[in-house]
Amino acid sequence: DAKTTQPTSMDCAEGRAANLPCNHSTISGNEYVYWYRQIHSQGPQYIIHGLKNNETNEMASLIITEDRKSSTLILPHATLRDTAVYYCIVISRDYKLSFGAGTTVTVRA
Amino acid sequence: DVKVTQSSRYLVKRTGEKVFLECVQDMDHENMFWYRQDPGLGLRLIYFSYDVKMKEKGDIPEGYSVSREKKERFSLILESASTNQTSMYLCASQDRDRMYGYTFGSGTRLTVV
Repeated sequence: DAKTTQPTSMDCAEGRAANLPCNHSTISGNEYVYWYRQIHSQGPQYIIHGLKNNETNEMASLIITEDRKSSTLILPHATLRDTAVYYCIVISRDYKLSFGAGTTVTVRA
Repeated sequence: DVKVTQSSRYLVKRTGEKVFLECVQDMDHENMFWYRQDPGLGLRLIYFSYDVKMKEKGDIPEGYSVSREKKERFSLILESASTNQTSMYLCASQDRDRMYGYTFGSGTRLTVV
């Protein structure tokens, strides 16, 4: 069973920030929150990950709530190339990865 | 810099053929996985391996087998391909010792006719 829940779909205007929520209420202390995205017919691409603290890299920012039960991926300036399915997953050592359906993000010009 | 390489991007095979899907990673990861991805079903785990010569069944192992003779290579075998095995196959490796991140290959889209 997927350990996260995400909205099914989201639209975003090009150049605006896209905020993608994820609930992971059963996360345990040693599990990381990872975000991946998948563009049609390609393998999932790593975006960002975090444990407790907020994180930022060249692609996105990750905001994790203090209780770690939810997080938000922020794409600061969405482009058409950011149109993809975004997956939020929790990972621990030797954990059999489970992807849910993800959020289909469509960036519109 | 490609780190998980799947041998074929597209493959067409006939029903009953034995099919080999190869996956190689250059990150010295212990854990490797094979998934299939179908519309509406997400990623489903077929087999995984935590070390050389070790393998464990995932959620949908029927009709598949695997081989892990070397740490960097994990092969998926379809003993007798069937049309219901037409799918996108994804290989992944996992860093078991450092933040557990997964790296995926670009996928093999297999069509069985």
